[in-house]
Amino acid sequence: NAGVTQTPKFQVLKTGQSMTLQCAQDMNHNSMYWYRQDPGMGLRLIYYSASEGTTDKGEVPNGYNVSRLNKREFSLRLESAAPSQTSVYFCASSDFAGSVTEAFFGQGTRLTVV
Amino acid sequence: AQSVTQLGSHVSVSEGALVLLRCNYSSSVPPYLFWYVQYPNQGLQLLLKYTSAATLVKGINGFEAEFKKSETSFHLTKPSAHMSDAAEYFCAVSGTSYGKLTFGQGTILTVHP
Repeated sequence: NAGVTQTPKFQVLKTGQSMTLQCAQDMNHNSMYWYRQDPGMGLRLIYYSASEGTTDKGEVPNGYNVSRLNKREFSLRLESAAPSQTSVYFCASSDFAGSVTEAFFGQGTRLTVV
Repeated sequence: AQSVTQLGSHVSVSEGALVLLRCNYSSSVPPYLFWYVQYPNQGLQLLLKYTSAATLVKGINGFEAEFKKSETSFHLTKPSAHMSDAAEYFCAVSGTSYGKLTFGQGTILTVHP
């Protein structure tokens, strides 16, 4: 059982380049999330998708876009990367349906923007 | 609005000693509370969760946490630290809005022989 799978695991971008981070879950969860982790700041929510076909902004959405491709997949796109977007990105999923269950996290994508 | 404060960005204990990691939360609705652990270069793994069923919650690897509404706290404890407990620990709170989590800043636990 793979759980939440993120690709790539590592990436180096030049300022201004674009890229898409991919995420897929095989737990049939309704909700999916993208977080970024920075030292001393914990994890902060970038975007989330409560269910297939819906997306919404989180705490730090600027500079990012997302696509909920289907129930399994939720991608995060950086249109024009900036050094401030150097971070570790985590995708997560949960089976939220009116009551909270725990979120399951992927292994993360370490992104460096130079 | 919700927020989480973890007191102490670094905690160091000796092997066999008590582990106490502090977490205080703020929430405008009855909270769901979580502790996650992150080992180096890995994702987050759930240790335990509070969802109002019981105030003392037992988790994996011998950890437990007590929900104290009057103190708005959800501190994580383990009676006897093991070297394998060295990791970063995150407290998180969720309300009823689609399972979104608000995380604390994290506490790095170091265990000395």
